[in-house]
Amino acid sequence: AQSVTQLGSHVSVSEGALVLLRCNYSSSVPPYLFWYVQYPNQGLQLLLKYTSAATLVKGINGFEAEFKKSETSFHLTKPSAHMSDAAEYFCAVTDSGYSTLTFGKGTMLLVSP
Amino acid sequence: DSGVTQTPKHLITATGQRVTLRCSPRSGDLSVYWYQQSLDQGLQFLIQYYNGEERAKGNILERFSAQQFPDLHSELNLSSLELGDSALYFCASSKSTTPVAELFFGEGSRLTVL
Repeated sequence: AQSVTQLGSHVSVSEGALVLLRCNYSSSVPPYLFWYVQYPNQGLQLLLKYTSAATLVKGINGFEAEFKKSETSFHLTKPSAHMSDAAEYFCAVTDSGYSTLTFGKGTMLLVSP
Repeated sequence: DSGVTQTPKHLITATGQRVTLRCSPRSGDLSVYWYQQSLDQGLQFLIQYYNGEERAKGNILERFSAQQFPDLHSELNLSSLELGDSALYFCASSKSTTPVAELFFGEGSRLTVL
């Protein structure tokens, strides 16, 4: 069965610093991978998704993620953090039949001035 | 605003009771997904409907049931409530039959069972 592991329930960075949120997945078939973001008191919204077209995926708000099959990873990065990036970030993977989406436990990103 | 509407936003009830959560998907979306978010379990997929038919089932308890109506709105019914059912329940919609397409989430219904 597919699963997602997000390393670190909380990540703290300073404004302007590099953001790196880690995600490792397990899947028996090439998966579709996603990053969703949840701002306080809101629902989740899609940041970006990997669908095998390109290993480096660019998303909204300057975020990008790289699919590394050898490492079964899909880490999310942003070169320079902004205060508005403070939110909870979820990595997600499809199952082998692409019928369900399994989310990781989430990583809360804290940005300090 | 995602275009997905969930009601009620907050609900407080007692153990043993039954509640109904309602979801109106984005205009044109045929799929509705229900997720439960709690501190200990994270975001858990419950069930998906596509154009009125059950499409996929996740970790949904037998005490819970859902349906999607002809106008495409969906309801999640939770019965014989237990303290552990306290959680944020999200509805999401999409145009596709699968979650490969982007899911648009509502703001959630927060259920507190006392």
